Amino acid sequence: QKEVEQNSGPLSVPEGAIASLNCTYSDRGSQSFFWYRQYSGKSPELIMFIYSNGDTEDGRFTAQLNKASQYVSLLIRDSQPSDSATYLCAGPKAAGNKLTFGGGTRVLVKP
Amino acid sequence: EPEVTQTPSHQVTQMGQEVILRCVPISNHLYFYWYRQILGQKVEFLVSFYNNEISEKSEIFDDQFSVERPDGSNFTLKIRSTKLEDSAMYFCASSEQDPILYGYTFGSGTRLTVV
Repeated sequence: QKEVEQNSGPLSVPEGAIASLNCTYSDRGSQSFFWYRQYSGKSPELIMFIYSNGDTEDGRFTAQLNKASQYVSLLIRDSQPSDSATYLCAGPKAAGNKLTFGGGTRVLVKP
Repeated sequence: EPEVTQTPSHQVTQMGQEVILRCVPISNHLYFYWYRQILGQKVEFLVSFYNNEISEKSEIFDDQFSVERPDGSNFTLKIRSTKLEDSAMYFCASSEQDPILYGYTFGSGTRLTVV
């Protein structure tokens, strides 16, 4: 079973709409999760982190964590063409201090 | 804003040659990592480094790979005898505190092409 799993997409959303991305994880001991944005040919950039059940909001981004169901989601409100990128979900293994990344969901925001 | 710096940005090497990829982590960071990303694939963990020693390594990080922090600022990844399948983007990352709580900052990456 993959440790962190995402739908590869592409997720196509019209400009101004809400983009909803999901990530599931297998390690019940994981306490925190991270969303990174990666533009084509560039390095991952941390945009959100969450380590409690419920929602964490930062500007147009909201991260949601449901530990009972073992999923993490990212909502992008008022999507802009500049949000077109691959979004990577990352979480730690219960042992060690490294992050494991999902395969990423490609988001396309169409004007 | 502090950055993780990687050099070179792109390296082309012949199969069997040694390459050294260089990283300068953010100065007060304590945890250091190398990841790689083969084109179109996921970001894969290679090795973590803390307190001047390897703390964890993946199955990918075999005897052909080594890491060093030679002078307290640079952090290098050496591949002794490159293979075609080593062609990938290599990312250095660092974290000031426990990365499980704070995540990492990634460098801009080195694109390694083995021919």
